[in-house]
Amino acid sequence: DTGVSQDPRHKITKRGQNVTFRCDPISEHNRLYWYRQTLGQGPEFLTYFQNEAQLEKSRLLSDRFSAERPKGSFSTLEIQRTEQGDSAMYLCASSSTAPGGEQYFGPGTRLTVT
Amino acid sequence: AQRVTQPEKLLSVFKGAPVELKCNYSYSGSPELFWYVQYSRQRLQLLLRHISRESIKGFTADLNKGETSFHLKKPFAQEEDSAMYYCALSATQGGGNKLTFGTGTQLKVEL
Repeated sequence: DTGVSQDPRHKITKRGQNVTFRCDPISEHNRLYWYRQTLGQGPEFLTYFQNEAQLEKSRLLSDRFSAERPKGSFSTLEIQRTEQGDSAMYLCASSSTAPGGEQYFGPGTRLTVT
Repeated sequence: AQRVTQPEKLLSVFKGAPVELKCNYSYSGSPELFWYVQYSRQRLQLLLRHISRESIKGFTADLNKGETSFHLKKPFAQEEDSAMYYCALSATQGGGNKLTFGTGTQLKVEL
């Protein structure tokens, strides 16, 4: 296991198009998190899963965003009708369910909406 | 609501000089505090957490609940310490350990 992986690493899309990102967590980790990072800011929490259940969504996650983790393993994050404001780095992290369990981050997917 | 503040966007020090990266937080409960680091072209990784009370790569951080601070310190900066440092907070009641990050401080160690 080489850690958390994300695909694609870069995505350029035109405004109004839909995009989907994938995250593969560390195999034994039950929890999976999505964060968004814009220039000059720290990562901001979007949502997290415990196994296949999506347990919390941030107010940042508008109706155009949807995340799934159908079998409790990999997760997808879809953005519909992309806007220029969606341009950001999307980070995925995974952890065990132990209290204070360390989150291991993936390399991120950089989205550019033109 | 929880909030993490890192007042310095950039901190430049000379090699061998002491380093202190500031972090203040606001949270009504008892938080868990972390420092994450991102070296150039690498992914975000955990540097240290307050509950472990250990020194990693010569860095230490003490949680001061009275001042709501969790400053990161190192007595002698090394060139390889140059990186982006993020302070982060995790709520201990619920929330699934989601992290709230500060805006980060770029540490530059000059020769």
